[in-house]
Amino acid sequence: DIQMTQSPSSLSASVGDRVTITCQASQDISNYLNWYQQKPGKAPKLLIYDASNLETGVPSRFSGSGSGTDFTFTISSLQPEDIATYYCQHLLTFGGGTKVEIK
Amino acid sequence: QVQLQESGPGLVKPSETLSLTCTVSGYSISSGYYWGWIRQPPGKGLEWIGSIYHSGSTYYNPSLKSRVTISVDTSKNQFSLKLSSVTAADTAVYYCARIAVAGTSYYFDYWGQGTLVTVSS
Repeated sequence: DIQMTQSPSSLSASVGDRVTITCQASQDISNYLNWYQQKPGKAPKLLIYDASNLETGVPSRFSGSGSGTDFTFTISSLQPEDIATYYCQHLLTFGGGTKVEIK
Repeated sequence: QVQLQESGPGLVKPSETLSLTCTVSGYSISSGYYWGWIRQPPGKGLEWIGSIYHSGSTYYNPSLKSRVTISVDTSKNQFSLKLSSVTAADTAVYYCARIAVAGTSYYFDYWGQGTLVTVSS
């Protein structure tokens, strides 16, 4: 089974900061990696699919990159409404999540 | 706009069967896509339970396969989850979702709001 390792597990940043989360696959998964945002008490929301494609309606400050085993999710300028837990996903496996908080 | 809504009991006794239904609106299940169930224990991460195609083909998480049944009722535009022999470890928020699949591209593009199921006597 392919394992997805996400880091960090949590981070604290200031409004306006650039935030980066990484996800590493245990074997080559090409570009088949997706990113979700989950706000407290809400369902996850798809942000990025196939590593770098922005889902319709998602703000452009969110982006994704990578291929093979190493992937990056970036928020270019952190906003208060971005406080959430972010998950990567490949096929039927989710990463452990990254909780993003405001410093 | 595609919408999904979970329904079912919020409390299930240990050893009994958890049963949930997902009602889809804004899209006909029989038109395509896969449909799935995902759960999230309180304070923990996401776990895929299983998926079903509109034709009825099913795929289950190996760790739950012996206890899971997912079915589809295209006439009602619904799909359902049954999880047998539940224990406290099955306490979680259960989500239904639509799954977009193209080759090995596989992502959950629409989600229900989730329903908390507690296993307790």
